[in-house]
Amino acid sequence: KAGVTQTPRYLIKTRGQQVTLSCSPISGHRSVSWYQQTPGQGLQFLFEYFSETQRNKGNFPGRFSGRQFSNSRSEMNVSTLELGDSALYLCASSLAGVQETQYFGPGTRLLVL
Amino acid sequence: SQQGEEDPQALSIQEGENATMNCSYKTSINNLQWYRQNSGRGLVHLILIRSNEREKHSGRLRVTLDTSKKSSSLLITASRAADTASYFCATDGMGAQKLVFGQGTRLTINP
Repeated sequence: KAGVTQTPRYLIKTRGQQVTLSCSPISGHRSVSWYQQTPGQGLQFLFEYFSETQRNKGNFPGRFSGRQFSNSRSEMNVSTLELGDSALYLCASSLAGVQETQYFGPGTRLLVL
Repeated sequence: SQQGEEDPQALSIQEGENATMNCSYKTSINNLQWYRQNSGRGLVHLILIRSNEREKHSGRLRVTLDTSKKSSSLLITASRAADTASYFCATDGMGAQKLVFGQGTRLTINP
């Protein structure tokens, strides 16, 4: 099976812009989670989706949003980018949720200038 | 705040030696997972241990879990240069549908 894929792999944006990141889970996986990784805050949970429903959301401002499509692919959107949004954004997929092994994608590295 | 805290933050050992990393967490869990990350890439799953298990092995990896102390340890035996990476523990917080990661241990294996 193909692994989790994330696009794009690298992205440079300027403050105030918005960005959309995409995650394609492993075939058959219905749960997709998103995490932000920064040197200062480490790995922080953003949201988890299962069968197009958001089941949990982390402590991030409303500028961060996401969705999941019927084929389990997921997107996350960050509007009005700030310098502090520069990070590695990771998505992970599993069959049913975080109680199982999570399979991570390679991440999207976002730089906000 | 992070639920998992790891100790030490950094560890440097010689190839062939054993490496032990510890993780503490704050609330009840269903399971605890360990992941490895190489140089800012994606995380790779190592082991999942459930709350009713005390020890689990996978190849050169041994994980223990003490739910009474809310702590876990990861032992890597006979370390290799390829084991150089950051190691993270993650807990699931009893049905919260999110993983909470520790800050990680940066392991360096010196040839």
